[in-house]
Amino acid sequence: DAGVIQSPRHEVTEMGQEVTLRCKPISGHDYLFWYRQTMMRGLELLIYFNNNVPIDDSGMPEDRFSAKMPNASFSTLKIQPSEPRDSAVYFCASSLQGAREQYFGPGTRLTVT
Amino acid sequence: GDSVTQMEGPVTLSEEAFLTINCTYTATGYPSLFWYVQYPGEGLQLLLKATKADDKGSNKGFEATYRKETTSFHLEKGSVQVSDSAVYFCALLSGGSNYKLTFGKGTLLTVNP
Repeated sequence: DAGVIQSPRHEVTEMGQEVTLRCKPISGHDYLFWYRQTMMRGLELLIYFNNNVPIDDSGMPEDRFSAKMPNASFSTLKIQPSEPRDSAVYFCASSLQGAREQYFGPGTRLTVT
Repeated sequence: GDSVTQMEGPVTLSEEAFLTINCTYTATGYPSLFWYVQYPGEGLQLLLKATKADDKGSNKGFEATYRKETTSFHLEKGSVQVSDSAVYFCALLSGGSNYKLTFGKGTLLTVNP
């Protein structure tokens, strides 16, 4: 069974550019989570979806960040415009309702210069 | 709100040494507790879990017991290997319909041959 798939694995971009990160959850999972990991702040939950609907976006840092889930097998996290302080590893995770554990993708390492 | 406190790292051990990584938590209700492991350059993997008081989670020689009276979930392994070198995260999920994982800051473990 394929795990959570994220693309790209690495992204280097210049300040001010738009960045789109992609995630494919495990088939059949109905929860999807976006996390950000930095040395300073550790792991932070940005937003999560249930059945493609955003449930809690209180962790989204500011209006430059947006996330969508157009269908059960695909989600995007967009940063526009990007800033150097957005440099981090972004993880997507999915889970099945009632099964409390979350399964993480390999992450996207974003560097904004 | 919910919080997880785990021992500061880094922890450096010799192969076959005994490992303990302390984790305590604050939560309302009856949370589920988890240990995740992150190997270099990879995403988080669920190592073990416990969903109610006195449950013991175990996997790959690692164990942790859910102690409600001390609000703790310490990770132990009797004999570590070089391949156990990784960052270990303690996490909790509050009960009910809340699917937001709260993570500790992580503990870096290095095992030397």
